[in-house]
Amino acid sequence: QKEVEQDPGPLSVPEGAIVSLNCTYSNSAFQYFMWYRQYSRKGPELLMYTYSSGNKEDGRFTAQVDKSSKYISLFIRDSQPSDSATYLCAMVTGGFKTIFGAGTRLFVKA
Amino acid sequence: DAGVIQSPRHEVTEMGQEVTLRCKPISGHDYLFWYRQTMMRGLELLIYFNNNVPIDDSGMPEDRFSAKMPNASFSTLKIQPSEPRDSAVYFCASSLMGGSNTGELFFGEGSRLTVL
Repeated sequence: QKEVEQDPGPLSVPEGAIVSLNCTYSNSAFQYFMWYRQYSRKGPELLMYTYSSGNKEDGRFTAQVDKSSKYISLFIRDSQPSDSATYLCAMVTGGFKTIFGAGTRLFVKA
Repeated sequence: DAGVIQSPRHEVTEMGQEVTLRCKPISGHDYLFWYRQTMMRGLELLIYFNNNVPIDDSGMPEDRFSAKMPNASFSTLKIQPSEPRDSAVYFCASSLMGGSNTGELFFGEGSRLTVL
């Protein structure tokens, strides 16, 4: 079993839809939780991070962490064609070892 | 700062040849990570360094892979001998961890390796 599980998709939605992306993890040593966005032929870039259970909002993006269930989510409201990318969850241990999910490919159609 | 710089951007080589990938991290960063990305396996952590010292190399697939960080501004990932299954995009990332830092990884543009 992988330490981090993420559905690779692809996920195709119409413009304006609410998008829900999810990851599960098995390692209780993970302390920090992040979401990265990767455009084609580019390196991933940090989108959001959180250190604790609960919700964190940044504009159209909301990150949710449930440590008891070992489950994290990213919600995108009013999705735009420019949101089309691969979204990777990332888990970080106390020693800063950073493990990524497989990434979910998202397509937002105009 | 120019960001994380990787070279070469593209490499095409034949099976059995030695491949060396290079990375210059962001100045002042104390962690450096090497990842490999494929469609089948996603973004896999190969090895990471803290202050030039390897901390965890459990992701290095086999003895054909080796990584070094001789100083704070340079790291290499070497594959010898290369095999077709090594074809992937190899990413280097650096970070400044601890304190009030978020632990964000800053990635280079990647080195796309094709082994024929």
